[in-house]
Amino acid sequence: DAGVTQSPTHLIKTRGQQVTLRCSPKSGHDTVSWYQQALGQGPQFIFQYYEEEERQRGNFPDRFSGHQFPNYSSELNVNALLLGDSALYLCASSPPEGYNEQFFGPGTRLTVL
Amino acid sequence: AQSVTQLDSQVPVFEEAPVELRCNYSSSVSVYLFWYVQYPNQGLQLLLKYLSGSTLVKGINGFEAEFNKSQTSFHLRKPSVHISDTAEYFCAVSSPAQGAQKLVFGQGTRLTINP
Repeated sequence: DAGVTQSPTHLIKTRGQQVTLRCSPKSGHDTVSWYQQALGQGPQFIFQYYEEEERQRGNFPDRFSGHQFPNYSSELNVNALLLGDSALYLCASSPPEGYNEQFFGPGTRLTVL
Repeated sequence: AQSVTQLDSQVPVFEEAPVELRCNYSSSVSVYLFWYVQYPNQGLQLLLKYLSGSTLVKGINGFEAEFNKSQTSFHLRKPSVHISDTAEYFCAVSSPAQGAQKLVFGQGTRLTINP
């Protein structure tokens, strides 16, 4: 049983560009959350998707947007990239009614030059 | 709003020695508490969680943690560490009352095991 998968593993972009990160949840999971982990920091919650809608959002600007597809996979889009967006982006999935655990993927390392 | 404070950014210990990683939280509502481990260049793996019931929680790899409501703490312990325990450890909190499973993480504690 595959766990949470994310693509790509690494990505290098320049300021002002746009990026799309992808996440496939663990089998049987219907909820996907995205986190940003800056170097040397703990992960920070970006938003969560359930039933193809954004259910909750953290303190991130509108440049950060997402989408969830009918197969529960998800995308994170970031527009007008800033140097400060350089981070490890983590995707986590949860089972139905699974408030008690989130399963994390390996992350996508985004570098903005 | 909730917050988590991990009191030590780095903890060096010798192999086979005991270790305690400290975590304090702040919340006006009831909480769930978690400890995650992150090995280099990897995602987060759940070590253990407290949802309710017994305040002493046992997790994987010989780790355990104790929930202390009066001190708002959830310290992680292991009686004898191994080189393989070298990693970054994160304490996190969520609130069942606020739903939606949002996790709030501390800044992390880097555990370094010396031979």
